[in-house]
Amino acid sequence: GAGVSQTPSNKVTEKGKYVELRCDPISGHTALYWYRQSLGQGPEFLIYFQGTGAADDSGLPNDRFFAVRPEGSVSTLKIQRTERGDSAVYLCASSSGLRQYFGPGTRLTVT
Amino acid sequence: AQKVTQAQTEISVVEKEDVTLDCVYETRDTTYYLFWYKQPPSGELVFLIRRNSFDEQNEISGRYSWNFQKSTSSFNFTITASQVVDSAVYFCALNTGGFKTIFGAGTRLFVKA
Repeated sequence: GAGVSQTPSNKVTEKGKYVELRCDPISGHTALYWYRQSLGQGPEFLIYFQGTGAADDSGLPNDRFFAVRPEGSVSTLKIQRTERGDSAVYLCASSSGLRQYFGPGTRLTVT
Repeated sequence: AQKVTQAQTEISVVEKEDVTLDCVYETRDTTYYLFWYKQPPSGELVFLIRRNSFDEQNEISGRYSWNFQKSTSSFNFTITASQVVDSAVYFCALNTGGFKTIFGAGTRLFVKA
Protein backbone atom coordinates (compact mmCIF):
# COMPACT_ATOMS: atom_id res chain seq x y z
CA GLY A 1 0.00 0.00 0.00
CA ALA A 2 0.93 3.65 -0.16
CA GLY A 3 3.36 5.00 2.38
CA VAL A 4 3.56 8.41 3.97
CA SER A 5 3.83 11.15 1.38
CA GLN A 6 4.99 14.73 1.82
CA THR A 7 4.70 17.71 -0.44
CA PRO A 8 6.54 19.60 -1.67
CA SER A 9 9.77 17.64 -1.70
CA ASN A 10 11.74 20.87 -1.84
CA LYS A 11 10.77 24.39 -0.90
CA VAL A 12 12.89 27.49 -1.24
CA THR A 13 11.53 30.65 0.31
CA GLU A 14 12.75 34.08 1.27
CA LYS A 15 13.28 35.12 4.84
CA GLY A 16 10.09 36.49 6.31
CA LYS A 17 7.71 34.54 4.08
CA TYR A 18 5.04 32.06 5.15
CA VAL A 19 5.24 28.38 4.16
CA GLU A 20 3.02 25.33 4.44
CA LEU A 21 4.28 21.78 4.37
CA ARG A 22 1.85 18.90 3.81
CA CYS A 23 1.83 15.34 5.07
CA ASP A 24 -0.41 12.50 3.89
CA PRO A 25 -0.18 9.65 6.40
CA ILE A 26 -0.80 5.99 5.78
CA SER A 27 -4.52 5.39 5.57
CA GLY A 28 -5.99 4.38 8.90
CA HIS A 29 -3.07 5.58 11.02
CA THR A 30 -4.44 7.73 13.82
CA ALA A 31 -1.08 8.95 15.12
CA LEU A 32 0.92 11.51 13.16
CA TYR A 33 4.25 13.11 14.04
CA TRP A 34 6.31 15.99 12.69
CA TYR A 35 10.08 16.08 13.11
CA ARG A 36 12.76 18.51 12.02
CA GLN A 37 16.14 17.24 10.89
CA SER A 38 18.98 19.70 10.64
CA LEU A 39 22.12 18.88 8.70
CA GLY A 40 24.18 16.23 10.45
CA GLN A 41 21.63 15.69 13.20
CA GLY A 42 18.96 13.16 14.05
CA PRO A 43 15.28 13.97 13.72
CA GLU A 44 13.99 16.28 16.44
CA PHE A 45 10.40 15.90 17.63
CA LEU A 46 8.09 18.83 16.93
CA ILE A 47 4.47 17.76 17.43
CA TYR A 48 2.27 14.70 17.77
CA PHE A 49 -1.37 14.29 16.73
CA GLN A 50 -3.74 11.62 17.89
CA GLY A 51 -6.70 11.97 15.55
CA THR A 52 -7.49 15.63 15.00
CA GLY A 53 -5.98 17.00 18.19
CA ALA A 54 -2.40 17.91 18.97
CA ALA A 55 -1.65 15.66 21.93
CA ASP A 56 1.84 17.06 22.40
CA ASP A 57 3.22 20.19 20.74
CA SER A 58 6.07 20.71 23.19
CA GLY A 59 8.69 20.37 20.46
CA LEU A 60 7.54 23.35 18.42
CA PRO A 61 10.41 25.84 18.76
CA ASN A 62 8.30 29.01 18.99
CA ASP A 63 4.94 30.50 18.09
CA ARG A 64 5.90 30.93 14.43
CA PHE A 65 5.33 27.20 14.04
CA PHE A 66 1.84 25.74 13.96
CA ALA A 67 0.36 22.47 12.72
CA VAL A 68 -3.17 21.29 12.00
CA ARG A 69 -4.89 18.04 11.17
CA PRO A 70 -8.52 19.08 10.77
CA GLU A 71 -9.99 15.77 9.62
CA GLY A 72 -7.65 13.39 11.35
CA SER A 73 -5.79 12.48 8.20
CA VAL A 74 -3.74 15.03 6.22
CA SER A 75 -1.65 17.39 8.32
CA THR A 76 -0.14 20.75 7.46
CA LEU A 77 2.84 22.30 9.21
CA LYS A 78 2.77 26.06 8.95
CA ILE A 79 5.73 28.35 9.51
CA GLN A 80 5.24 32.11 9.67
CA ARG A 81 7.92 34.77 9.16
CA THR A 82 10.49 32.18 8.18
CA GLU A 83 14.08 32.62 9.32
CA ARG A 84 17.28 31.21 7.87
CA GLY A 85 17.58 28.98 10.93
CA ASP A 86 14.37 27.22 9.92
CA SER A 87 16.21 25.63 7.00
CA ALA A 88 16.06 21.87 7.53
CA VAL A 89 14.35 18.72 6.36
CA TYR A 90 10.89 18.38 7.86
CA LEU A 91 9.86 14.77 8.31
CA CYS A 92 6.40 13.42 8.89
CA ALA A 93 5.64 9.98 10.31
CA SER A 94 2.47 8.07 11.03
CA SER A 95 1.81 5.01 13.15
CA SER A 96 -0.85 2.69 14.46
CA GLY A 97 1.39 1.47 17.28
CA LEU A 98 4.95 2.01 18.39
CA ARG A 99 6.50 1.64 14.96
CA GLN A 100 6.58 4.89 13.00
CA TYR A 101 6.54 5.03 9.21
CA PHE A 102 8.39 8.02 7.86
CA GLY A 103 7.80 10.05 4.73
CA PRO A 104 10.61 11.25 2.44
CA GLY A 105 10.62 14.71 3.98
CA THR A 106 10.39 18.26 2.72
CA ARG A 107 13.68 20.11 2.39
CA LEU A 108 13.05 23.72 3.35
CA THR A 109 15.63 26.34 2.43
CA VAL A 110 15.17 29.88 3.67
CA THR A 111 17.32 32.39 1.78
CA ALA B 1 16.64 13.20 31.27
CA GLN B 2 16.51 11.05 28.20
CA LYS B 3 19.37 10.97 25.80
CA VAL B 4 20.81 8.85 22.99
CA THR B 5 24.50 9.06 22.17
CA GLN B 6 26.06 7.76 19.01
CA ALA B 7 29.70 8.60 19.51
CA GLN B 8 30.82 7.54 16.04
CA THR B 9 30.10 10.32 13.59
CA GLU B 10 31.44 8.53 10.53
CA ILE B 11 32.78 5.06 9.86
CA SER B 12 34.45 3.91 6.68
CA VAL B 13 34.99 0.22 5.88
CA VAL B 14 35.83 -1.89 2.90
CA GLU B 15 33.22 -4.24 1.53
CA LYS B 16 32.96 -7.58 3.35
CA GLU B 17 34.31 -6.14 6.59
CA ASP B 18 32.19 -6.40 9.72
CA VAL B 19 31.23 -3.12 11.37
CA THR B 20 29.63 -2.25 14.71
CA LEU B 21 27.69 0.94 15.32
CA ASP B 22 27.53 1.98 18.95
CA CYS B 23 24.54 3.38 20.79
CA VAL B 24 24.37 4.42 24.44
CA TYR B 25 21.12 5.64 25.96
CA GLU B 26 20.05 7.34 29.16
CA THR B 27 16.67 7.09 30.83
CA ARG B 28 15.29 6.69 34.34
CA ASP B 29 12.23 4.84 33.11
CA THR B 30 12.15 1.08 33.60
CA THR B 31 9.94 0.56 30.55
CA TYR B 32 11.32 1.85 27.30
CA TYR B 33 11.83 0.94 23.66
CA LEU B 34 14.93 1.16 21.54
CA PHE B 35 15.02 1.45 17.78
CA TRP B 36 17.46 1.48 14.91
CA TYR B 37 16.65 3.27 11.66
CA LYS B 38 18.54 3.47 8.38
CA GLN B 39 18.51 6.67 6.32
CA PRO B 40 19.85 6.04 2.81
CA PRO B 41 20.77 8.93 0.49
CA SER B 42 17.13 9.13 -0.63
CA GLY B 43 16.37 10.51 2.83
CA GLU B 44 13.52 8.27 3.95
CA LEU B 45 14.03 6.70 7.38
CA VAL B 46 13.71 2.93 7.23
CA PHE B 47 12.80 1.01 10.38
CA LEU B 48 15.21 -1.81 11.22
CA ILE B 49 14.37 -3.06 14.69
CA ARG B 50 12.54 -2.34 17.95
CA ARG B 51 13.44 -3.83 21.33
CA ASN B 52 11.67 -3.34 24.64
CA SER B 53 13.50 -2.95 27.91
CA PHE B 54 12.37 -6.31 29.25
CA ASP B 55 13.82 -8.32 26.42
CA GLU B 56 17.60 -8.42 26.43
CA GLN B 57 17.85 -11.25 23.95
CA ASN B 58 20.17 -10.41 21.12
CA GLU B 59 18.66 -10.55 17.69
CA ILE B 60 19.98 -11.55 14.31
CA SER B 61 18.34 -10.78 10.99
CA GLY B 62 20.41 -11.86 8.03
CA ARG B 63 23.64 -9.87 8.09
CA TYR B 64 22.32 -7.60 10.85
CA SER B 65 22.59 -8.28 14.56
CA TRP B 66 21.84 -6.27 17.67
CA ASN B 67 23.38 -6.51 21.13
CA PHE B 68 21.25 -5.04 23.91
CA GLN B 69 22.94 -4.72 27.31
CA LYS B 70 21.02 -2.97 30.07
CA SER B 71 24.02 -3.11 32.40
CA THR B 72 25.90 -0.70 30.13
CA SER B 73 22.81 1.02 28.65
CA SER B 74 23.94 0.07 25.19
CA PHE B 75 22.16 -1.16 22.09
CA ASN B 76 24.83 -1.80 19.47
CA PHE B 77 24.26 -2.76 15.87
CA THR B 78 26.59 -4.99 13.85
CA ILE B 79 26.60 -5.49 10.11
CA THR B 80 28.43 -8.62 9.04
CA ALA B 81 30.11 -8.78 5.65
CA SER B 82 29.16 -5.20 4.79
CA GLN B 83 28.06 -4.28 1.30
CA VAL B 84 28.11 -1.02 -0.63
CA VAL B 85 24.30 -0.85 -0.32
CA ASP B 86 24.72 -0.61 3.45
CA SER B 87 26.14 2.89 3.02
CA ALA B 88 23.74 5.20 4.84
CA VAL B 89 23.24 7.12 8.05
CA TYR B 90 22.07 4.93 10.91
CA PHE B 91 20.10 6.30 13.84
CA CYS B 92 19.51 4.80 17.24
CA ALA B 93 16.37 6.04 19.04
CA LEU B 94 14.66 5.78 22.43
CA ASN B 95 10.99 5.92 23.37
CA THR B 96 9.76 5.67 26.96
CA GLY B 97 6.20 4.82 26.02
CA GLY B 98 4.98 8.35 25.45
CA PHE B 99 4.73 10.39 22.28
CA LYS B 100 8.31 11.48 21.90
CA THR B 101 11.02 9.43 20.32
CA ILE B 102 14.51 10.72 20.98
CA PHE B 103 17.02 10.15 18.20
CA GLY B 104 20.78 10.08 18.37
CA ALA B 105 22.83 12.25 16.02
CA GLY B 106 23.44 9.30 13.72
CA THR B 107 26.46 7.45 12.38
CA ARG B 108 27.31 7.82 8.71
CA LEU B 109 28.59 4.54 7.30
CA PHE B 110 30.63 4.44 4.11
CA VAL B 111 31.21 1.03 2.59
CA LYS B 112 33.81 1.08 -0.18
CA ALA B 113 33.92 -1.51 -2.93
